[in-house]
Amino acid sequence: ETGVTQSPTHLIKTRGQQVTLRCSSQSGHNTVSWYQQALGQGPQFIFQYYREEENGRGNFPPRFSGLQFPNYSSELNVNALELDDSALYLCASSEGAYNEKLFFGSGTQLSVL
Amino acid sequence: GQQVMQIPQYQHVQEGEDFTTYCNSSTTLSNIQWYKQRPGGHPVFLIQLVKSGEVKKQKRLTFQFGEAKKNSSLHITATQTTDVGTYFCLDRGSTLGRLYFGRGTQLTVWP
Repeated sequence: ETGVTQSPTHLIKTRGQQVTLRCSSQSGHNTVSWYQQALGQGPQFIFQYYREEENGRGNFPPRFSGLQFPNYSSELNVNALELDDSALYLCASSEGAYNEKLFFGSGTQLSVL
Repeated sequence: GQQVMQIPQYQHVQEGEDFTTYCNSSTTLSNIQWYKQRPGGHPVFLIQLVKSGEVKKQKRLTFQFGEAKKNSSLHITATQTTDVGTYFCLDRGSTLGRLYFGRGTQLTVWP
């Protein structure tokens, strides 16, 4: 086990709704990154937080936003859900924001109907 | 933006056969990491390569980083059913604040 926990494990929403996903980092890790993984695809980088500041973002629209808290846990918020947002959302924590290895949580499976 | 191309997308082998997956980049990579994701699971870190021409081994797995640091490979000798899963490479650190995974190679091993 990695020590990275995500909640909830599964979620069903309807188009236009908003969702918040949560991630608890492994102890001692100050960096969290979020990914969207569609079936049969590699994880697509959404953004990364280092010491509570966003320090990198992938090609996702502004309706994907996040937070990192003083205890280094994190949230991913998605507004105005679209059908194509249905995917597995993974978070990963690491000891730093540069070349450290990633420890993944088990993910949240989001279905948008 | 930066992309890491990974091939093949799928590989089906008989148990005991070898397997190789390749990652290629059009630009020089700072370092590359490899992860394995079992069906229904999450990616798990395997190895990191940093130096030009680096070769690392983990039992039946051999990882290579190209001399120009633009490509990498993962080779599994004598596959076993426990090797089943999807193998991803990750461009980690080439672009500050960006993490690019390859599309992955899904390995199926027939007993």
